[in-house]
Amino acid sequence: QVRLQESGPGLVKPSDTLSLTCTVSGGSMSDYYWSWIRQPPGKGLEWVGHVYSSGNAYNNPSLKSRVTISVDTSKNQFSLKLNSVTAADTAVYFCARVAPFTQHLDYWGQGTLVTVSS
Amino acid sequence: DIQMTQSPSSLSASVGDRVTITCRASRSISRYLTWYQQRPGKAPKVLIYGVSSLERGVPSRFSGSGSGTDFTLTISSLQPEDSATYYCQQSSSTPYTFGRGTKLEIK
Repeated sequence: QVRLQESGPGLVKPSDTLSLTCTVSGGSMSDYYWSWIRQPPGKGLEWVGHVYSSGNAYNNPSLKSRVTISVDTSKNQFSLKLNSVTAADTAVYFCARVAPFTQHLDYWGQGTLVTVSS
Repeated sequence: DIQMTQSPSSLSASVGDRVTITCRASRSISRYLTWYQQRPGKAPKVLIYGVSSLERGVPSRFSGSGSGTDFTLTISSLQPEDSATYYCQQSSSTPYTFGRGTKLEIK
């Protein structure tokens, strides 16, 4: 059974960088895409981006160039960095695996709330 | 970006009712359409992927249909545990996009 677990600070100051890590267990990271999705409190889901196990990453253009997603398969982890954060970046951040072929998000972490506040 | 228009935004129904939620894509997404169920404080859970494939372990009262741009999630006989918010998502092209969600309440 594949499991994903997000970790990182729950509070980030405005203009700082939000950094989260997702640790994958129970399966290989190879040959999969790995995604970040976020959900502001009381709102819907927004796809942030994903990274292939080889390191190729694709980000949501709505976040401009503030996002960096990377992978370290030797540690079974992938990471999200979002710079120049504002209160609008306050959200629950989920990591998830992208299923091959259908490309749906088949395994999810439990999510972690990140609040942007001074 | 492909826009996903989901309706209704909320609905209230009784146990045993048949419920339908629709999702329309702004352009054809082939069969790259997934339905998720999200309960408060939890991660979304896959119900249906590839338009109509039932995820393992999901009750058979859930079904999906559609093609191209118009898709439907149907719950054939509503149960109390189906109270949740439902989202559609396209994975035809990046950025992947979600519908705004349908909050389903049990009367």
